Amino acid sequence: GGIITQTPKFLIGQEGQKLTLKCQQNFNHDTMYWYRQDSGKGLRLIYYSITENDLQKGDLSEGYDASREKKSSFSLTVTSAQKNEMAVFLCASSIVQSNTEVFFGKGTRLTVV
Amino acid sequence: AQKVTQTQTSISVVEKTTVTMDCVYETRDSSYFLFWYKQTASGEIVFLIRQDSYKKENATVGHYSLNFQKPKSSIGLIITATQIEDSAVYFCAMSPDTNAYKVIFGKGTHLHVLP
Repeated sequence: GGIITQTPKFLIGQEGQKLTLKCQQNFNHDTMYWYRQDSGKGLRLIYYSITENDLQKGDLSEGYDASREKKSSFSLTVTSAQKNEMAVFLCASSIVQSNTEVFFGKGTRLTVV
Repeated sequence: AQKVTQTQTSISVVEKTTVTMDCVYETRDSSYFLFWYKQTASGEIVFLIRQDSYKKENATVGHYSLNFQKPKSSIGLIITATQIEDSAVYFCAMSPDTNAYKVIFGKGTHLHVLP
């Protein structure tokens, strides 16, 4: 078994601030993902990474940057936080096969004041 | 375009009964994989069950089973003998074989199991 650890669990930022969310996994999975969850809107893919130093944009990449410097870690940066923004950011990982499930972290809850 | 739609936003059932949650999907891929995930009140998301598009038999795991109707692009989740702890949000998801990394999720169905 393994675990995905996201830090911080809660993040409060100011409008216009650059904010970084971190994710570590010990599954030894190649692929990692960042999803955003808004109330009533399901999970939307922001970025994913197939392997170390690889970055691929998802449907919601505008306003975000990502970094995969090590196989075990994947960070997400909100480049300019939007006022009144509230969402949960979920990190996930999987092995490199389309028929395998994705494992999720517990999320980082972002509030922008 | 690839899309996953869950039309039921919320369902309430009495415990020990059977519930079916609907999901329809759109894809041009001939081969794809369908998943159901459960998100508990704590926010944790866990994988429940998977259906491979090329398999005719419906997948079953414990008290979860699937109703796969390929001509209708439908993959329903059936929970038998529901328990209070089955109360959660259930997400349907699809992964096309041509782009394994792009897992597409529906908006979720909130299941309330009442005593």
